[in-house]
Amino acid sequence: EAGVAQSPRYKIIEKRQSVAFWCNPISGHATLYWYQQILGQGPKLLIQFQNNGVVDDSQLPKDRFSAERLKGVDSTLKIQPAKLEDSAVYLCASSQRDRANEQYFGPGTRLTVT
Amino acid sequence: AQSVTQPDIHITVSEGASLELRCNYSYGATPYLFWYVQSPGQGLQLLLKYFSGDTLVQGIKGFEAEFKRSQSSFNLRKPSVHWSDAAEYFCAVGARNQGGKLIFGQGTELSVKP
Repeated sequence: EAGVAQSPRYKIIEKRQSVAFWCNPISGHATLYWYQQILGQGPKLLIQFQNNGVVDDSQLPKDRFSAERLKGVDSTLKIQPAKLEDSAVYLCASSQRDRANEQYFGPGTRLTVT
Repeated sequence: AQSVTQPDIHITVSEGASLELRCNYSYGATPYLFWYVQSPGQGLQLLLKYFSGDTLVQGIKGFEAEFKRSQSSFNLRKPSVHWSDAAEYFCAVGARNQGGKLIFGQGTELSVKP
């Protein structure tokens, strides 16, 4: 079974630029999560999708971050404009609808904002 | 509010020695509890989980953890550490009625010396 795929693996941008990350969850997993992991900290949930609907986006900085999951499969997370404090690893995870607490993580995208 | 505390930021053990990583949580009821491991440049891999029942849970790679309700703890143990166990370890808590949201601790970095 293929795992959660993410791209790109690394991205370096200047502040005020925009960036987008892509995630392809495990086949059949209805729930998809985006986490932000700042260096030296544990991951923090940004947004959770159930199919193509948002379940929880309470910690998503909506003035600059946006996410979508069209067709309930792949997802993209966008930052526009980026700030220095957005430098982090962005992790995507997925789970089955009825096993939401058993999440499988992708390798992450390491973002550096200069 | 839910929270997870991992008191040890960095631990060094000798190869072959026993290991215990501490995790304390704050939650009003019995939560779901998890331990994840993250190797450099990799996503998080689930080591083990506690949902209910036997308070001593076995995981992959020879790890085990014990849920102690009276101490609000879920410490991770391994009787004999291998050099390949060097990584970052995260404890996480999930609420039974919040559809998958995980709260992570700040992580404990494990170094293994020969």
